[in-house]
Amino acid sequence: AQKVTQAQTEISVVEKEDVTLDCVYETRDTTYYLFWYKQPPSGELVFLIRRNSFDEQNEISGRYSWNFQKSTSSFNFTITASQVVDSAVYFCALLYNFNKFYFGSGTKLNVKP
Amino acid sequence: DTGVSQDPRHKITKRGQNVTFRCDPISEHNRLYWYRQTLGQGPEFLTYFQNEAQLEKSRLLSDRFSAERPKGSFSTLEIQRTEQGDSAMYLCASSSTGGNMDQPQHFGDGTRLSIL
Repeated sequence: AQKVTQAQTEISVVEKEDVTLDCVYETRDTTYYLFWYKQPPSGELVFLIRRNSFDEQNEISGRYSWNFQKSTSSFNFTITASQVVDSAVYFCALLYNFNKFYFGSGTKLNVKP
Repeated sequence: DTGVSQDPRHKITKRGQNVTFRCDPISEHNRLYWYRQTLGQGPEFLTYFQNEAQLEKSRLLSDRFSAERPKGSFSTLEIQRTEQGDSAMYLCASSSTGGNMDQPQHFGDGTRLSIL
């Protein structure tokens, strides 16, 4: 069975703090993809990053970085020097069988000025 | 604009009525997905099309739900005899298939359904 767990329901930080959003996944597939999406209050899901199961290189994009560790089945997302505009719900998702998307329940991030 | 477009943005209807939603994917995308999202939860997969073929349906998709993509472009999702539990945000996404790696799904703004 596939499962994505985002244990942090809600996180509040003050602007400029660093924050890490956790994601733990379960799958028996050897080929799969992991994604992070951002859902601002407007509702649209915005794609942030995709990693495949064979690429464990961490990635940095501006203030965003991702740490993929197959040994712990985790794909954590860190925002450095958070800003108020980062306030949103963030979803981790697992794509398996090349077409089935399984989303976690999301982490709501509140960044206060 | 070449994003995923959904219509309407909001739909309020009485229990027992039928509703239909439309999704226009990004034009070059051959895959189209429907999801349902309830408050405080992540999107749940309902069904997906590759071109005009409906290739997968979730068990969440009861026989009151039907989706079509007649010409492989836009899609409609119809709910018959709506129930209170159908109240949710219905999201459409599209993607293209590319080489050995699937492309990310791009989502529309969703249609929020409220059943009175």
